[in-house]
Amino acid sequence: EIVLTQSPDFQSVTPKEKVTITCRASQSIGSSLHWYQQKPDQSPKLLIKYASQSISGVPSRFSGSGSGTDFTLTINSLEAEDAAAYYCHQSSSLPWTFGQGTKVEIK
Amino acid sequence: EVQLVESGGGLIQPGGSLRLSCAASGFTVSSNYMSWVRQAPGKGLEWVSVIYSGGSTYYADSVKGRFTISRDNSKNTLYLQMNSLRAEDTAVYYCARGGLEIDYWGQGTLVTVSS
Repeated sequence: EIVLTQSPDFQSVTPKEKVTITCRASQSIGSSLHWYQQKPDQSPKLLIKYASQSISGVPSRFSGSGSGTDFTLTINSLEAEDAAAYYCHQSSSLPWTFGQGTKVEIK
Repeated sequence: EVQLVESGGGLIQPGGSLRLSCAASGFTVSSNYMSWVRQAPGKGLEWVSVIYSGGSTYYADSVKGRFTISRDNSKNTLYLQMNSLRAEDTAVYYCARGGLEIDYWGQGTLVTVSS
């Protein structure tokens, strides 16, 4: 099973700051890495697919990069509505797995 | 518009069985990978199972042999049959479209396993 480790677990950030969340895979997964945002009491929402591909309707301040074992989700100029938990997910090999999540709090 | 509506959750005793349903609209279930993902209270996301468009099914080790994913093409509905339930199966269960990137999620249904 491929283990995904996110860092940090928690981040407290002021609005307009840049946020960087990393996801490291226990073995190479190519670009089969996706990012989701989950706001309190809501279902997850797809933000980025295949490491860096944007999703229609997602604000352009969200971007992704990486391949192999190291991936990054970047939120440029954080807004108050971005307070949420963020998860990475690999679909390179079964069983699919998720990272443990990163909670972003607005200061 | 794509919609996924889960039902069937509730309180069940350990060792019991429950069947979750996910009624889909706006797309055809049988033409897509369909997944179940769960989230224990206050915890992260855990992938549970996927059914491919061709019908192949796969499970997380934690539920293999106890859970069965299936679909009814005539009803455009996805199911998760859960047997031999344990306390650690307590979670919100999400129906989701996709097994690679998951592009649509239902609102979730809560399953509580407790005596």
